[in-house]
Amino acid sequence: DVKVTQSSRYLVKRTGEKVFLECVQDMDHENMFWYRQDPGLGLRLIYFSYDVKMKEKGDIPEGYSVSREKKERFSLILESASTNQTSMYLCASSRPQGANFYEQYFGPGTRLTVT
Amino acid sequence: GQNIDQPTEMTATEGAIVQINCTYQTSGFNGLFWYQQHAGEAPTFLSYNVLDGLEEKGRFSSFLSRSKGYSYLLLKELQMKDSASYLCAVRVHNNAGNMLTFGGGTRLMVKP
Repeated sequence: DVKVTQSSRYLVKRTGEKVFLECVQDMDHENMFWYRQDPGLGLRLIYFSYDVKMKEKGDIPEGYSVSREKKERFSLILESASTNQTSMYLCASSRPQGANFYEQYFGPGTRLTVT
Repeated sequence: GQNIDQPTEMTATEGAIVQINCTYQTSGFNGLFWYQQHAGEAPTFLSYNVLDGLEEKGRFSSFLSRSKGYSYLLLKELQMKDSASYLCAVRVHNNAGNMLTFGGGTRLMVKP
């Protein structure tokens, strides 16, 4: 089974802190994604990566950056956390287009609270 | 831009059938996914449609009409464990690759 893990289930940080959210997948997937999920707004794509050291902006990249130094690991960085970044953060991975199965597999999520 | 609409909440009775609709307006359409998400858990894949028609998988079926920008998820013989949010997501292809755009999700409550 595909397994996507995230470093923390719950995280509380103060405004202005630098926050790192880590995601690891064990299925050798090329694509990895970071979303945030807010009530009424659904999942919104922050960044995605289709290869090591490659990254693309999603719909709401402002205030975030990412790092993909290894294929299995995709990190989301909040350079200076703000209260409007309080949310559920979900990581996902998938095979690239052209593979037989390219649905996205999600991690359990990190609920981040910024105070 | 992308626009995906689905009802916010639905209620149904155990043993019944429920249909969750999803309408979309996108460019570069490359398939439609349905995900199930129980409270506090990760979304899990249910179905994928890229061609028009009905895809059946056990108690769950998904339908797509590309010309109408419309899909539905049909759940039969509802069970209490089907209480969850159901997420409609459209896969679009653009210069940056393939991405999923999600609707807001439909929260389904199954009552005895």
